[in-house]
Amino acid sequence: ETGVTQSPTHLIKTRGQQVTLRCSSQSGHNTVSWYQQALGQGPQFIFQYYREEENGRGNFPPRFSGLQFPNYSSELNVNALELDDSALYLCASSLDGSTQPQHFGDGTRLSIL
Amino acid sequence: DAKTTQPNSMESNEEEPVHLPCNHSTISGTDYIHWYRQLPSQGPEYVIHGLTSNVNNRMASLAIAEDRKSSTLILHRATLRDAAVYYCIRCNNAGNMLTFGGGTRLMVKP
Repeated sequence: ETGVTQSPTHLIKTRGQQVTLRCSSQSGHNTVSWYQQALGQGPQFIFQYYREEENGRGNFPPRFSGLQFPNYSSELNVNALELDDSALYLCASSLDGSTQPQHFGDGTRLSIL
Repeated sequence: DAKTTQPNSMESNEEEPVHLPCNHSTISGTDYIHWYRQLPSQGPEYVIHGLTSNVNNRMASLAIAEDRKSSTLILHRATLRDAAVYYCIRCNNAGNMLTFGGGTRLMVKP
């Protein structure tokens, strides 16, 4: 069983740039959720994709957008990067967007200069 | 507010039981209670979840109060590898959003 993998592991960008983060879901999972974790805080829900459609969104501006592909992998795109976007971005996969456990990757550390 | 309340930190001795409390006084009847833990430099790891009844698995036990306003995660014999931040989370019925609070940092002493 292949777990959740994220790429890249680390990334440095400057203000105003755009970034794309990638996530491969665990085998058999059709749902992907994205979270932002600032240093010293708990993860904050960004949005979830279920069968290629957005299935819930947290309190994040529209410059945070996502995509899910037919193989259930996913991308998180952030436009017009701000210094406060510096964080660990976590991807989690699960089955059917239900209350079953979410399986997390180890995240992408994004630093904005 | 979908958040839960947990102590910021707790300490335990190795091989002793640990009881991690969580208050969720405004929980709705259909919200599940999930526990995750996060080791340094890793993503969160699922521990256990439940709705009304107490639950057991190979990692831990979850005791849910009868009024569902609080719950306790029980690690039966703490090991050094259990040192982590433990998050108690309310999960809505659709299962599409985990709302993390600040969690409890568990320190395990040898």
